[in-house]
Amino acid sequence: GAGVSQSPSNKVTEKGKDVELRCDPISGHTALYWYRQRLGQGLEFLIYFQGNSAPDKSGLPSDRFSAERTGESVSTLTIQRTQQEDSAVYLCASSTAPGQATYEQYFGPGTRLTVT
Amino acid sequence: GDSVTQMEGPVTLSEEAFLTINCTYTATGYPSLFWYVQYPGEGLQLLLKATKADDKGSNKGFEATYRKETTSFHLEKGSDQVSDSAVYFCALRRETSGSRLTFGEGTQLTVNP
Repeated sequence: GAGVSQSPSNKVTEKGKDVELRCDPISGHTALYWYRQRLGQGLEFLIYFQGNSAPDKSGLPSDRFSAERTGESVSTLTIQRTQQEDSAVYLCASSTAPGQATYEQYFGPGTRLTVT
Repeated sequence: GDSVTQMEGPVTLSEEAFLTINCTYTATGYPSLFWYVQYPGEGLQLLLKATKADDKGSNKGFEATYRKETTSFHLEKGSDQVSDSAVYFCALRRETSGSRLTFGEGTQLTVNP
């Protein structure tokens, strides 16, 4: 079946502009995660959605970052007033509900954001 | 807080050489441990995992054993192939932390023929 998809695959924006990144999780996956990968570094957790529960936003680096999820489907990560340090690959992952015996996170291909 | 430390790369080996990529972690409780792989031009994929102490995860000839006494989860493979060239990430997950993964910085592996 279809995996996690993300769009756009690449985004170049000017400093100060707002950007929206989209994630389509695997159908039936109730959990959705956003991570950020800066050049040469590991992935940093940003935010986590699980079903209808309040999202875990503890990884968002500033109030310029926000994310929404429509039910158990599409999620959008928004970065307002982008800064050069926001340049990174933004990865989305989805999984079945935590606690199920074999749940794993499946990752999308990422969106490469470059702020000039 | 939780953290994962990986062997610094890049690592370059010849085919059929023995591979070890070191990974140690800091976390409270009993996290699950993972190795993810990112092949050139592809997304991040789960390679193997272990959910409790002394468990051994294995896949595609790779193995890693969850060692609680040394807080380690080193990745090993007895004989490499050029197609193993990729970036490898060690990660942990504590169920009490909302199921987020905490990643190491990644190790670039290049296998030469």
